[in-house]
Amino acid sequence: AQKVTQAQTEISVVEKEDVTLDCVYETRDTTYYLFWYKQPPSGELVFLIRRNSFDEQNEISGRYSWNFQKSTSSFNFTITASQVVDSAVYFCALSEYSGGGADGLTFGKGTHLIIQP
Amino acid sequence: DSGVTQTPKHLITATGQRVTLRCSPRSGDLSVYWYQQSLDQGLQFLIQYYNGEERAKGNILERFSAQQFPDLHSELNLSSLELGDSALYFCASSVAGGPGGTDTQYFGPGTRLTVL
Repeated sequence: AQKVTQAQTEISVVEKEDVTLDCVYETRDTTYYLFWYKQPPSGELVFLIRRNSFDEQNEISGRYSWNFQKSTSSFNFTITASQVVDSAVYFCALSEYSGGGADGLTFGKGTHLIIQP
Repeated sequence: DSGVTQTPKHLITATGQRVTLRCSPRSGDLSVYWYQQSLDQGLQFLIQYYNGEERAKGNILERFSAQQFPDLHSELNLSSLELGDSALYFCASSVAGGPGGTDTQYFGPGTRLTVL
């Protein structure tokens, strides 16, 4: 069965510090998709990135970067020079290519990131 | 703004009652997904519809049901409500809904249900 673990329940840093959010996943499929979503205090879920299991290239988008390592089943998310607006709960999620199985996402428990001014 | 709309934003009701949550997907999206977010269970997938047909089921209770209409909007019906059903209910949509959830799901703002 698929599983996503976000071991960090809460992280608090001072503005401008770099911070990394960890995500470890479990799956038996060789084809799968990994996602990160952001949930700000307003409550909506905002899509950040999708990565398939065959693409291990790291990705950078502005201050955000993602490190995908199949060898350790991890998909970590780093925010560089954090800002107060980055304060939110961040969710890592997994979807398996099960050829007809449930297409729903399996979410981790989330990491509450607090950026202090 | 993801383009997915959900109504109502808030809903307060009593135990034993029945409510209906509504979702309109992004223009062009054929798949609709429902999720429940609660403090103890986290974010859980409930059910998926693709172009009017039920496609996948997750941890949905028998007291809950959903449907997708010809105009592709979807409704989630929750009946015989219990205190534990209080949660944030999200709808998401994706372009297709091919096997294995290959498409990115975009989420609506959610409906916060409070059962008293």
